[in-house]
Amino acid sequence: DAMVIQNPRYQVTQFGKPVTLSCSQTLNHNVMYWYQQKSSQAPKLLFHYYDKDFNNEADTPDNFQSRRPNTSFCFLDIRSPGLGDAAMYLCATSREFLRPEKLFFGSGTQLSVL
Amino acid sequence: AQTVTQSQPEMSVQEAETVTLSCTYDTSENNYYLFWYKQPPSRQMILVIRQEAYKQQNATENRFSVNFQKAAKSFSLKISDSQLGDTAMYFCAFMRDNYGQNFVFGPGTRLSVLP
Repeated sequence: DAMVIQNPRYQVTQFGKPVTLSCSQTLNHNVMYWYQQKSSQAPKLLFHYYDKDFNNEADTPDNFQSRRPNTSFCFLDIRSPGLGDAAMYLCATSREFLRPEKLFFGSGTQLSVL
Repeated sequence: AQTVTQSQPEMSVQEAETVTLSCTYDTSENNYYLFWYKQPPSRQMILVIRQEAYKQQNATENRFSVNFQKAAKSFSLKISDSQLGDTAMYFCAFMRDNYGQNFVFGPGTRLSVLP
């Protein structure tokens, strides 16, 4: 039944050690998003893919990269995690981008940086 | 730039009672959309209700309804007959019309429904 799946649920990495978070969807949606949500804060959009077109938010640090090898999967790569990157990372999908449809969210990956 | 404010960081309500969560926003746009998303302890964010700014009629979804005041830029959520499963963080969100789904989220209100 799960439509947007994020693995793992909890991820621990070391300061400076690259880490990859994964997201998959069974909805066949065109758009996939990555949000960063720090403790007690609102989610903040990092980037999104419309199909294979990558769109980076202006204030997303270069330390964050993303890959979408096919419709179903999208990865978030953090090249050199810092302590400030500890957060919940939420993946979301939508069928289209411009129309104000609802977002379908995964359950998130909680990243800890030691 | 658009901003969304939720002035109540935490609220509580007794089961079966009614509670209203407030949200205000700032924009110079005339056409836009407003949303309430719920994030329960399971962490998966779920859409609760959506309102188009060009519609004067307030949106309603079962026990959830909104009071949309466009001139005042206010968008409050009323939950009637509160249930324990309503315990969650509630985020108000704004999206410009025809600009893509870059939601601007408010800081959230943590709602606890007490037995």
